[in-house]
Amino acid sequence: IAGITQAPTSQILAAGRRMTLRCTQDMRHNAMYWYRQDLGLGLRLIHYSNTAGTTGKGEVPDGYSVSRANTDDFPLTLASAVPSQTSVYLCASSDQVGETQYFGPGTRLLVL
Amino acid sequence: QKEVEQNSGPLSVPEGAIASLNCTYSDRGSQSFFWYRQYSGKSPELIMSIYSNGDKEDGRFTAQLNKASQYVSLLIRDSQPSDSATYLCAVSRMNNNDMRFGAGTRLTVKP
Repeated sequence: IAGITQAPTSQILAAGRRMTLRCTQDMRHNAMYWYRQDLGLGLRLIHYSNTAGTTGKGEVPDGYSVSRANTDDFPLTLASAVPSQTSVYLCASSDQVGETQYFGPGTRLLVL
Repeated sequence: QKEVEQNSGPLSVPEGAIASLNCTYSDRGSQSFFWYRQYSGKSPELIMSIYSNGDKEDGRFTAQLNKASQYVSLLIRDSQPSDSATYLCAVSRMNNNDMRFGAGTRLTVKP
């Protein structure tokens, strides 16, 4: 693994279903982030983690949860998906908070 | 007013010309500024970061920062068709996890 990986690449999900998006980095970065990217709105921060064991809410956290059990992994869970959660989800990491963020390839999610 | 504003474009320039991309931000406490390039269907990749007023050059790219005017720009010299992408401006306070992104400017370089 080099950098950040995300899975799945894309997913079609029925409304009401639970879904976990996976994100793994091998750079030993302390901070990790989840964004959603929607046309015309840019990237909006969902949740973040400054270090393993800590998480925080971003700009648009409702309907999402995260965990950070270790340095490498930062999964994002949609407890009960709704169509408005249709988006491209980008995971990112940075060595320290506020520094350059490096992005994974993204997950395209369609909620029907 | 959005926290980070960019002209959505599309901005079209001929090959070999200078492309000028602009970004304004509202948070006067911002201390870190980034330009990312995003090709269609791909994730953003860092082009440049800038932290001090003035110009910073890296190859064909020059970032310009004016904190008093809350303005940051990216110049691309000798534009190439491969520069055609969406360019995202991002700003952050130091030691702050809430990096704010603009919606991006779509650049097309015509051969």
